[in-house]
Amino acid sequence: AQKITQTQPGMFVQEKEAVTLDCTYDTSDQSYGLFWYKQPSSGEMIFLIYQGSYDEQNATEGRYSLNFQKARKSANLVISASQLGDSAMYFCAMREAENSGGYQKVTFGTGTKLQVIP
Amino acid sequence: NAGVTQTPKFQVLKTGQSMTLQCAQDMNHEYMSWYRQDPGMGLRLIHYSVGAGITDQGEVPNGYNVSRSTTEDFPLRLLSAAPSQTSVYFCASSYGLVQETQYFGPGTRLLVL
Repeated sequence: AQKITQTQPGMFVQEKEAVTLDCTYDTSDQSYGLFWYKQPSSGEMIFLIYQGSYDEQNATEGRYSLNFQKARKSANLVISASQLGDSAMYFCAMREAENSGGYQKVTFGTGTKLQVIP
Repeated sequence: NAGVTQTPKFQVLKTGQSMTLQCAQDMNHEYMSWYRQDPGMGLRLIHYSVGAGITDQGEVPNGYNVSRSTTEDFPLRLLSAAPSQTSVYFCASSYGLVQETQYFGPGTRLLVL
């Protein structure tokens, strides 16, 4: 079973509009972290936002917010007021405790390609 | 701080050749990992390490070896390159807690002919 599922291979959004990128996850751990990364065409991985499994409030970082619905196991990224520079691949990732030794694995989704239209 | 560095940036190999992708970090992170990125597959974990002397397999470990003799360095070795290993390889590091984000290197683009 996929640990992280991103069902939108590609999306378009009009400049200055808001857009939601979907992410669902699967884990039996109580303690885990959810992350979103941006990968522009230049290839680097840029950290955007983090949500902890015990955080009761949705995370926000500037124009980025994470819509965390724990019961539904979803962690959608909301980008407000889209800009042309937001055009990129976006990856959702989960970090969970592997075992009692504390070894962890970080699992990535397959990504969503966002294109912002002028 | 240089962050996470990777060398080389690009490499072309012939089938059967071996090589080592270098990764180093200067943030004293205990957790380091290697990913490969293929079109439509996202990032898949190859190997990871939770500290010097401790490594473990990820999702796609076959054909790759790692070692971690120091906190700073985490090289990835391809023992006998195959065309299926053509990919972009990313090294990442972080502190070892669930809430810690990973910092990524710039990537190595590998082509195996």
